[in-house]
Amino acid sequence: QSVLTQPPSVSGAPGQRVTISCTGSSSNIGAGYDVHWYQQLPGTAPKLLIYGNSNRPSGVPDRFSGSKSGTSASLAITGLQAEDEADYYCQSYDSSLTVFGGGTKLTVL
Amino acid sequence: QVQLVQSGAEVKKPGASVKVSCKASGYTFTSYGISWVRQAPGQGLEWMGWISAYNGNTNYAQKLQGRVTMTTDTSTSTAYMELRSLRSDDTAVYYCARVVRDNWFDPWGQGTLVTVSS
Repeated sequence: QSVLTQPPSVSGAPGQRVTISCTGSSSNIGAGYDVHWYQQLPGTAPKLLIYGNSNRPSGVPDRFSGSKSGTSASLAITGLQAEDEADYYCQSYDSSLTVFGGGTKLTVL
Repeated sequence: QVQLVQSGAEVKKPGASVKVSCKASGYTFTSYGISWVRQAPGQGLEWMGWISAYNGNTNYAQKLQGRVTMTTDTSTSTAYMELRSLRSDDTAVYYCARVVRDNWFDPWGQGTLVTVSS
């Protein structure tokens, strides 16, 4: 049972918009800690996608965006493409320890 | 470019220990921490702990306290993670990652598969 809760799976057709939620509590996201997001393509190491709630590293397309409100955060992907099919993880702090969400598998239909 | 290169796959028997290395290049090693994260087959990411490459301070996940030790060798810009008393449920891919500012991880090493089997 992860401290941060993500839906196990989401799906969308090419070109559509999908969102992935990351729900925490008052001891982690709600305490003001930033949320970061990672993309893990099949068989590869995770890659930083969003840092500090809503910032994209260089090279990450602006189709990816992040937001945070209260005890939750969200990752939005617009203009869905086949290569976006991957697992997505949120990450934050809780009681001075790093915590991850359980991960969400995105399927592009 | 900033890169973390990990040691190769390991097969260990239950009760044994494993030590995984993570060699950093492309940045000042002592200016960042290193976290270790593992991923059991078909499962999500599990944070194992963090070490400061500046002063060696560590912070371990509670469930691994007493079995895990993280160290660094600043002369070779290499971080190490040793896990003792291995069990079958320690079978996983182990990743190192550079910890940037407000605790985001970038980049990650390529991963090291550790298989624990009798």
